[in-house]
Amino acid sequence: EVQLVQSGGGVVRPGGSPRLSCAASGFIFDGYGMSWVRQAPGKGLEWVSGINWNGNKTGYADSVKGRFTISRDNVKNFLYLQMNSLRVEDTAFYYCVRDSDYGLDFWGQGTLVTVSS
Amino acid sequence: DVVMTQSPLSLSVTLGQPASISCRSSQSLVYGDGNTYLNWFQQRPGQSPRRLIYNISKRDSGVPDRFSGSGSGTDFTLKITRVEAEDVGVYYCMQNVLWPYSFGQGTNVEIK
Repeated sequence: EVQLVQSGGGVVRPGGSPRLSCAASGFIFDGYGMSWVRQAPGKGLEWVSGINWNGNKTGYADSVKGRFTISRDNVKNFLYLQMNSLRVEDTAFYYCVRDSDYGLDFWGQGTLVTVSS
Repeated sequence: DVVMTQSPLSLSVTLGQPASISCRSSQSLVYGDGNTYLNWFQQRPGQSPRRLIYNISKRDSGVPDRFSGSGSGTDFTLKITRVEAEDVGVYYCMQNVLWPYSFGQGTNVEIK
């Protein structure tokens, strides 16, 4: 069974630098790209970042470029999102998502990051 | 960047009646391999999104056949032949032809 179990998040001060983690199991982790997608409370979905199977190709939304860093550990089967210089507008549920050849096919449970002083 | 535009943004449907959601992309979603990278997602209240359709019209495993996708190039449609109570939620189209991926604004489907 495919599982994406997320951790990290919570309440963070503006300017803070939390790291989100996503533990993958039930599939061959290094056979897939991965993405992070976020959703501000009551709002729509926004793709945040993506990484290819071996980590040597990454992409970011303009809204987070230069502040967030996506990475992966194919030995431990983990996906990460290092978030720096957080702003109030980064408050959202963050989803870890498997990126198959044809799109985002499996989503984690989501973790809420609240940026507040 | 590719902009995805959905309509309508809200839909109130009688149980057993059909529903249709449109999605338009600002540029072609056809990749060099000939595939069109357009997905549809359902997000029920309080849940993570779930993919329903990929490559315009291919249903994911376990998705009821009352859901169907169609379209080509830049214009796409998700149809529900007979809406059931469990179909309440928000539906999103998304392009994954290139980064940054982008979603439509979402269509909120409710029962009349």
